[in-house]
Amino acid sequence: TQLLEQSPQFLSIQEGENLTVYCNSSSVFSSLQWYRQEPGEGPVLLVTVVTGGEVKKLKRLTFQFGDARKDSSLHITAAQPGDTGLYLCAGIAGGFKTIFGAGTRLFVKA
Amino acid sequence: DTAVSQTPKYLVTQMGNDKSIKCEQNLGHDTMYWYKQDSKKFLKIMFSYNNKELIINETVPNRFSPKSPDKAHLNLHINSLELGDSAVYFCASSQEIPTATNEKLFFGSGTQLSVL
Repeated sequence: TQLLEQSPQFLSIQEGENLTVYCNSSSVFSSLQWYRQEPGEGPVLLVTVVTGGEVKKLKRLTFQFGDARKDSSLHITAAQPGDTGLYLCAGIAGGFKTIFGAGTRLFVKA
Repeated sequence: DTAVSQTPKYLVTQMGNDKSIKCEQNLGHDTMYWYKQDSKKFLKIMFSYNNKELIINETVPNRFSPKSPDKAHLNLHINSLELGDSAVYFCASSQEIPTATNEKLFFGSGTQLSVL
């Protein structure tokens, strides 16, 4: 069974700090995705990484796919209160289904 | 226009009741899903339909019955509700079946089900 483990589970930081959250698996994924979910809403896709070693940037967010395609990280520079939310990594498992990690709950204090 | 809309937003009901959640997408997508998010925010797939055909049926109790009258709609009916069914249920859609590359999921805003 393919599983995605995310760490840390919770993160509370001050505005302006940098942070990194991780998504790890013992299985190889052809691609990994990162979603952000805000309270009372559904997850929204931020990025998909496809190639091992790939780095993608979305403003202050930097996403990396591990060389072996078993892990990914999300780095946020100078976090802002608007970055608060649940960050979920996701991958396509056997049987054409998208599976999700348990998420990292980020709270950025002003 | 909301891309994936589900109703109701909140559903509070007694144990043993039967309830339905409706979902509609106006994106022209072929594939629709039901996910369950528990109190720890873990999001788990329940069902997936592609062009009205069931393609994924996880180990979900048969009290849960999805129905897709057309590819724009996927409803979820739950019989004999139990306390453990309390969760947020999300409908989602994607253009096609997720393959080994990537497929973007569009989620509704969720239905918070509370079974008392």
